[in-house]
Order: sequence, then structure tokens, then C-alpha cells
Amino acid sequence: AQRVTQPEKLLSVFKGAPVELKCNYSYSGSPELFWYVQYSRQRLQLLLRHISRESIKGFTADLNKGETSFHLKKPFAQEEDSAMYYCALLDRGSTLGRLYFGRGTQLTVWP
Amino acid sequence: DAGVIQSPRHEVTEMGQEVTLRCKPISGHDYLFWYRQTMMRGLELLIYFNNNVPIDDSGMPEDRFSAKMPNASFSTLKIQPSEPRDSAVYFCASSPKGQGGGYTFGSGTRLTVV
Repeated sequence: AQRVTQPEKLLSVFKGAPVELKCNYSYSGSPELFWYVQYSRQRLQLLLRHISRESIKGFTADLNKGETSFHLKKPFAQEEDSAMYYCALLDRGSTLGRLYFGRGTQLTVWP
Repeated sequence: DAGVIQSPRHEVTEMGQEVTLRCKPISGHDYLFWYRQTMMRGLELLIYFNNNVPIDDSGMPEDRFSAKMPNASFSTLKIQPSEPRDSAVYFCASSPKGQGGGYTFGSGTRLTVV
């Protein structure tokens, strides 16, 4: 079974503080993970995927297979980072690339 | 490309009425997904299509929900009869073949059943 767990439903930090949004997964194969972001009342957008090893808007995420985690980090949070963040796992066992989403973490960055 | 287009953006209907949500995927995308988003349950996959064929509808809550994809550029999600607990934001997403996980989402339809 595939599982994506985001243990924090809500997360608040002050502007300029570091932020880490946690994501843990359970998967029997080699995982492929993603972070999606949804700004207030907007569509979900792909933020980053682990295979790209990229940094988008200052965010990075490292896949830790030992801890089965894919936490999203940013050293200095900005007010515009306030949004809902979803961690997602691609099921490669499904031939059609189905994504499993976590429940999401609502990040609020206070001024 | 205008992206994934959903209509209507908002829908308010009375309990018992039929509701039809519409989605136009990005041209050339082989996969189309319907998701429901609620505060309680987060994002739930309802059904997805590959090349217009429904592949997995195990997420459809009950028989009141049905989805079709008559051609590559159009899909509908129908609820008949609607109930207050169906109130949610319904998202459509599409993805090209070989871009597993790289979904493009529509703006969603906010459904309120009173």
C-alpha cells in the first residue's frame, strides 16, 4: 500500500524564520515524490519533484530513504509562502502514474 | 495553451438536484483525473482516465457520482441527486504520458449543496 503522511495540519512561522514541512511515506518500491502548493483559492501547482533536485522559490526537499521522508525546507520564510502544501507519491506500480497525496499542511508566515 | 479549464467556477444548488461539472484538459495530455478537496479529507482521487477510458473509479463515493470522457478534450463529473455532504471543491487535472506525477490542475469548481 502507498501512504503519504503529513503530520502537521497547520504550521505557523514568522517571516525570516526557517520552515520545514514534514512528509513521510510508505512505499514498497523506489519512490518518486513531489511537493505541490496551493495559494489561497488558486489551483494546485507543482512546486518541485525530488528527481529534479531543484530549488524553487527557495524551497528544497531531500529524499531520505532511510527515514522514508521528503521534508520541504526553506531557510528564510516569506509572507508570500503562506499556502497549503501537499506532498505526493507517484505509484510506479500503477502503469498510469497515479499520485497519492498527503492531507496537506497549511503554512502561515506572519510578518 | 490555456491550461486545464473547468466550469463552472462556482455552483450552488439545492439538495436533490443534478449537478454537472466540466473539464477541458490540456491538448495532448493522455490522462485526466478528478479530485475532490474538503477540509476534513484533503484531496481525494475520485476517478481517472487514460485515453478517454476510465481506469480506476474506486474513489467515486457512491452511485450518485458518475464521470465520462466522450473525447480527448472533454470530461464531465455528474452528481445525481446531490446532497449537502457533496459540498467541496472539485479539481480536474491532466498529465501527458511519461510525465508521471507532473499534473496540471484546473482552477476547480466550488460546489455548495444547500
